[in-house]
Amino acid sequence: QMHLQESGPGLVKPSETLSLRCTVSGGPISSSSYYWGWIRQPPGKGLEWIGSIYYSGSTHYKPSLKSRVTISVDTSNNQFSLKLTSVTAADTAVYYCARLGTGYYLVFDHWGQGTRVIVSS
Amino acid sequence: EIVLTQSPGTLSLSPGERATLSCRASQSVTSSFLAWYQQKPGQAPRLLIYGASYRANGIPDRFSGSGSGTHFTLTISRLEPEDFAVYYCQQYDSSLLTFGGGTKVEIK
Repeated sequence: QMHLQESGPGLVKPSETLSLRCTVSGGPISSSSYYWGWIRQPPGKGLEWIGSIYYSGSTHYKPSLKSRVTISVDTSNNQFSLKLTSVTAADTAVYYCARLGTGYYLVFDHWGQGTRVIVSS
Repeated sequence: EIVLTQSPGTLSLSPGERATLSCRASQSVTSSFLAWYQQKPGQAPRLLIYGASYRANGIPDRFSGSGSGTHFTLTISRLEPEDFAVYYCQQYDSSLLTFGGGTKVEIK
């Protein structure tokens, strides 16, 4: 059974870097059939795709966040990570990691439970 | 970047009624790359529909998707109590993904 679990600090200071990790179990992150992505949801608002990564390290980012985002993959530990620099209060959100299909199945079919991150001094 | 606009923002219906949710795109979307998700409070979203009209594993057949080009629809034929939630559409285009703003289906 595929399972994804986010981890990382729940509180980050303004101007600092938000770092989260997603641990995948139930299947290899190095599968050629999937990408792995990060999505966030500010309080009371909708979903926002942040970016995605393939096991090879190939990445795609939301254009408006691209200058601040880095997503990386660690195939040996079946994990992928998110770094978001220079955070502000606007980055306060629940952050989800999810599995994204490939080809004609470019949808998020498995999600982590989400982790709440608050940006505050 | 393709913008998805969902309407209405809120739909107030009674159990047993039919729900029709709209998702309009700022430019044409390949049907293969249009999906719908359901999200309940405090939970992660759940995939309902992919490829505009294909139900994901375990999704009841009261959920159906249709549409093409710039207009897509999610229909819930008869609302069950567990269907009251927020629904999002999502598209993929040129390596970028976007979500619609969501439609909340609430109990009338």
